[in-house]
Amino acid sequence: AQSVAQPEDQVNVAEGNPLTVKCTYSVSGNPYLFWYVQYPNRGLQFLLKYITGDNLVKGSYGFEAEFNKSQTSFHLKKPSALVSDSALYFCAVKTSYDKVIFGPGTSLSVIP
Amino acid sequence: DVKVTQSSRYLVKRTGEKVFLECVQDMDHENMFWYRQDPGLGLRLIYFSYDVKMKEKGDIPEGYSVSREKKERFSLILESASTNQTSMYLCASNRPLGGDSYEQFFGPGTRLTVL
Repeated sequence: AQSVAQPEDQVNVAEGNPLTVKCTYSVSGNPYLFWYVQYPNRGLQFLLKYITGDNLVKGSYGFEAEFNKSQTSFHLKKPSALVSDSALYFCAVKTSYDKVIFGPGTSLSVIP
Repeated sequence: DVKVTQSSRYLVKRTGEKVFLECVQDMDHENMFWYRQDPGLGLRLIYFSYDVKMKEKGDIPEGYSVSREKKERFSLILESASTNQTSMYLCASNRPLGGDSYEQFFGPGTRLTVL
């Protein structure tokens, strides 16, 4: 079955420290991978995607993600966290027929 | 900019009522989706549509139906609302595989409460 896992419900990090939000996936064929962010009381916003090419992809707000095929992972990273990065983060994978499966989400709290 | 709009931000309905949630996108996207978002469960796909008058069941279609009479509009219908359908409903659209953009664009969401 095709699925997306985010093993951490909650990630806490101090402002200025690097952050990582983890994602692993299970999908047949080549994966198309995405990260979305949801700020409080707002809709989901696209952050970045991996379709093909370099394993390290850069996205909005200074975020980047590393695609690791052997570990079937697509972890979201940022070198220096900001308080304004506090939000809910969703990893997603696009399957055949354009269906997109989302992970359960990880709540990121950046502590001043 | 892509814009996906949803007819209501907040709705309160009673058990047994018929509920219509409307979604409109202005980027001529072929694909449209309805999700519900619940804490700890992420986004679960209810229905999606890849063309006018076409629809496909998602992971949790029970208790819902959809309508796509025009390319820009995708409606979610709760035939007889129940309390377990209290949730945040998100509409999204994107271009099909093979296009130049795969990411989904989301509306602001409709928070539905069924009493």
